[in-house]
Amino acid sequence: QKEVEQNSGPLSVPEGAIASLNCTYSDRGSQSFFWYRQYSGKSPELIMFIYSNGDKEDGRFTAQLNKASQYVSLLIRDSQPSDSATYLCAVTGGGYNKLIFGAGTRLAVHP
Amino acid sequence: SAVISQKPSRDICQRGTSLTIQCQVDSQVTMMFWYRQQPGQSLTLIATANQGSEATYESGFVIDKFPISRPNLTFSTLTVSNMSPEDSSIYLCSVSDRDDGYTFGSGTRLTVV
Repeated sequence: QKEVEQNSGPLSVPEGAIASLNCTYSDRGSQSFFWYRQYSGKSPELIMFIYSNGDKEDGRFTAQLNKASQYVSLLIRDSQPSDSATYLCAVTGGGYNKLIFGAGTRLAVHP
Repeated sequence: SAVISQKPSRDICQRGTSLTIQCQVDSQVTMMFWYRQQPGQSLTLIATANQGSEATYESGFVIDKFPISRPNLTFSTLTVSNMSPEDSSIYLCSVSDRDDGYTFGSGTRLTVV
């Protein structure tokens, strides 16, 4: 079982719609959860992090965490073509709080 | 958040040679992380570098192939040794930034021919 699992996509949504990205993780001891966006040829860019169960909102982005289900998600409201990218879920694990990444979900927002 | 300067940004190297990648951070950080991103893949952690101690390598990565230096709290290097075409990847350094999560350098795109 992979430590962090994501649907590779591509997830295709129309402009203005809500994009929902999901991630599950295997280590119950994970403390911190991150969503990164990566454009082709660029390094990952942090969108949000969440530590506690529930929702965390930042502009058009909402991260949701359910530790009992070992599930974290990212909602993107009013999706724009510029949101088209690969979205990487990452969780901390191990003694050094290292970041473990999922395979990433490609999002395509079409006009 | 921390700002990381990583260089070189890209290089084309002959097989059998070595390349050293440098990361400079604008603030003191305890841990630095080195990742590899193979074409079309996600990020895989190579090792964690602490100042004053040997790096901790992940399964599948060894010090002879990826020696790491961490001489102070703002700088680290990763060397890719005895390169083969399979080492062609993007290599990224990262630091844990307490307030802003984990920040990444701009990456080094390595092509081995």
